[in-house]
Amino acid sequence: AQSVTQPDIHITVSEGASLELRCNYSYGATPYLFWYVQSPGQGLQLLLKYFSGDTLVQGIKGFEAEFKRSQSSFNLRKPSVHWSDAAEYFCAFTSGTYKYIFGTGTRLKVLA
Amino acid sequence: DAGVIQSPRHEVTEMGQEVTLRCKPISGHDYLFWYRQTMMRGLELLIYFNNNVPIDDSGMPEDRFSAKMPNASFSTLKIQPSEPRDSAVYFCASSLAGSWEQPQHFGDGTRLSIL
Repeated sequence: AQSVTQPDIHITVSEGASLELRCNYSYGATPYLFWYVQSPGQGLQLLLKYFSGDTLVQGIKGFEAEFKRSQSSFNLRKPSVHWSDAAEYFCAFTSGTYKYIFGTGTRLKVLA
Repeated sequence: DAGVIQSPRHEVTEMGQEVTLRCKPISGHDYLFWYRQTMMRGLELLIYFNNNVPIDDSGMPEDRFSAKMPNASFSTLKIQPSEPRDSAVYFCASSLAGSWEQPQHFGDGTRLSIL
C-alpha cells in the first residue's frame, strides 16, 4: 500500500540551530514527493517538490530536502532555524496522479 | 492575486443540522480539491473536480457528504445530517490544469464543530 510516514510528531529546536524533519514513503515505483508547511489557522503552503533529477531539492524560505531511494526517505532540512519557522510540516506523496497522500505532520517548536 | 477563499472560517452547529462549506478557487485554476484534516487521520482527500466535473469522490466518507461545483468559481461541500464525528478542519485547494505536477494552493480552511 502507498503511504507516507512522519515519525516525529513534535520537534523542538533552538533558534539558529539546524533542523531535519523525517519523511519515509512506501511505494514500489518512482514517487513524487512534496513538503508543505502549515502555520496556525492557515492552509498549507508548498515548500518544495521532487519529481526527478537532482536528489537534493531547494525550496522556499531556505529549506531543502534530499531524496534517498535506498532509504525510501525525503527528509527536510534547514541549516539555521528562525522563530518564524514554527509551524506544522507535512510530507506528501503521489504516484503521478492528482491524489496526494499526506503524512500526519510534524509540529515544530522554536525556542528563542 | 487572491488565493483560495473559504467560508465560513468557523462553524459551530448542533448534530443533525445541515452544514454547507463554500470555496472560491483561484481564478483560472481548473482543478478543485476538498480535504478534511483531523488529529486521528491527518489530511485526507475527499473529492476533486476538473472543469466543474467530479473526477474522484472515493474519499467521501458516506452519503451524508456531497459536493458540487456549479461553475468555475464556486464549490460547496455539504453535510446532511451532521454528526459530532464530522468535526474537523475542511480545506479547499485548487491548481492549474495541464499536469498533476502543478502545485495545489490551499485556502485557510473551515473549522467545523458539531455539538
